[in-house]
Amino acid sequence: DQQVKQNSPSLSVQEGRISILNCDYTNSMFDYFLWYKKYPAEGPTFLISISSIKDKNEDGRFTVFLNKSAKHLSLHIVPSQPGDSAVYFCAASPRGSNYKLTFGKGTLLTVNP
Amino acid sequence: NAGVTQTPKFQVLKTGQSMTLQCAQDMNHEYMSWYRQDPGMGLRLIHYSVGAGITDQGEVPNGYNVSRSTTEDFPLRLLSAAPSQTSVYFCASSSGTGEDNQPQHFGDGTRLSIL
Repeated sequence: DQQVKQNSPSLSVQEGRISILNCDYTNSMFDYFLWYKKYPAEGPTFLISISSIKDKNEDGRFTVFLNKSAKHLSLHIVPSQPGDSAVYFCAASPRGSNYKLTFGKGTLLTVNP
Repeated sequence: NAGVTQTPKFQVLKTGQSMTLQCAQDMNHEYMSWYRQDPGMGLRLIHYSVGAGITDQGEVPNGYNVSRSTTEDFPLRLLSAAPSQTSVYFCASSSGTGEDNQPQHFGDGTRLSIL
């Protein structure tokens, strides 16, 4: 039973446009949500996070939105750049357990010049 | 600043062999975890540690052992390798939980093939 779901295996956008990656979760105990970016043959790199007490967090071109009632979060990248092309993983952990991440299967983002 | 260092980067084993995947972090992080990633899947938690001398099982612990004798090191041992353990293994570390949640930082992985 997947507790974190990324239903879009891939997404293609044009450079300069907005990329929106989506993630749904089922476990009500999840309290801390993160997005990681992963290039081939490298480890996941932390992008941005949000705790359950917030509904939005921004860091430069990246914004994460959390809708707790819908158990849904999204990552917005504006503007998208070719260097953003990578696999993006959504992850979540229970309160006080940031060392116990549950990951989605990932979304491959391709940003076309 | 090296961050999280994993060795080796690649390894090929025969079924039944044993080996240890090494993980070291230089950030003085209290928490460390091991994950595996299989094709088309997200990362799954194998074992984790909340401090030296304290370890516990994650989602997929069978066939793996861990120990944590120092803050810096968290080795993962395969006692008798099986083809189902062919995967990419990632080690991660973090500090701060609860009110001061901090993200886990990952190493670049060990790619393990078992024949």
